[in-house]
Parts: sequence; structure tokens; C-alpha cells
Amino acid sequence: EIVLTQSPTTIAASPGEKVTITCRASSSVSYMYWYQQKSGASPKLWIYDTSKLASGVPNRFSGSGSGTSYSLTINTMETEDAATYYCQQWSSTPHTFGAGTKLELK
Amino acid sequence: EVQLVESGGGLVQPGRSLKLSCAASGFTFSNYYMAWVRQAPKKGLEWVATISTSGSRTYYPDSVKGRFTISRDNAKSSLYLQMNSLKSEDTATYYCARPPGSWGQGVMVTVSS
Repeated sequence: EIVLTQSPTTIAASPGEKVTITCRASSSVSYMYWYQQKSGASPKLWIYDTSKLASGVPNRFSGSGSGTSYSLTINTMETEDAATYYCQQWSSTPHTFGAGTKLELK
Repeated sequence: EVQLVESGGGLVQPGRSLKLSCAASGFTFSNYYMAWVRQAPKKGLEWVATISTSGSRTYYPDSVKGRFTISRDNAKSSLYLQMNSLKSEDTATYYCARPPGSWGQGVMVTVSS
């Protein structure tokens, strides 16, 4: 089983600040997927195939990485970005998720 | 527009069974792998099952293997999750998903006596 370790668990950022969330895989994966989830709502695909932004995602977001190390970056934090972000791999079963990173507004 | 609508959730006693359904629309259902993902209250996401386009291949994590069965009816554009021998730790919101990008609104399953 591929274990995905996200860090940090929680982070608080001020508007305009740069934010980076990392996801480390216990074994190499082909691509990483990122989801945004706000309270009471279904998760939304945010980044797919490691670096492609899903429809409607602002271009202040970016994704990068390869092998066992991946990241999601917000260039300039905005209020609406406060949410929980999960990484996930579909490369092999079980299709594991990271534990999530809660991004709060400072 | 892709739509996934789950149904069949509710309160069930430990050891009993429950079957979830997911009605899909807005895309050619038979062309896509489908999956179930769950989220326990205040917890993270957990993948539960995946099924191939024809239904001939299914995949489960150890936590539900042997108890849960994913199936599909391509003629009805419907996905199912048969859950047997339910445990309290199966209490969660269950999402139907067309990996990786489309998710339903979720249906709550509560396992309690």
C-alpha cells in the first residue's frame, strides 16, 4: 500500500501570503491528484495529473512534483482558499488519500 | 453536466446490511471506471471500492474486502455498493465518484444500535 503523508497538518496564512502543501508517497506514483473540501461540501478536484488545474481553479494555484514528492502551491493566499486539501494517488490500489491539510485564514 | 446522485443511506444496526445506489447522468456511464469513497465524521477521505467499465474487475481496501461489493448496471447508468456485516467504524458519508474529478453530494450511513 502506498502511504501518502501530507504536511503540514494545519497551516494559517494571511491574504497575499504564499502557501505550500507537500505530499510524500511511500513509493513512486505516476501522478498526484489534489482535492479541495470546504465544510459540509463534497470534495472538488483541484489539481489533476500532478500539475493541471481543474476547471474553474484560479491560476494562483499550481501543482508540481514527481516520483515520491509532490506539492500544491498558492502564490498569493485569498480568503476563499481557506479549506482542507487532500492529495490522492490513483496509480495503484488501494487508491490512498493523504490525511489532509487544513488551510486557515490568519 | 456530470451528475451523480447517491441514495440508500440511513441508520442501520451493527451486523446488518445496506445497499447504496448512485444514479449517473451527463456522460456515457459505460465508458468510465467508477468508485466509492467515504468520509467518517470529522475525518479524512477513504477510498472504498473501484469497478471497471464492464464490471469484471473490482478493487477494495482491506478494511472492507469481503464485506462490501461494488457493482454496476450500465444499462441503467447506475452504480451500487452492497455493504454487509456493517460495523460502527463504517459510519460515514459515502460518495459516488467518477475518478478523478466528479463526485456526488454524498449519502450518510450510520451504523449504531
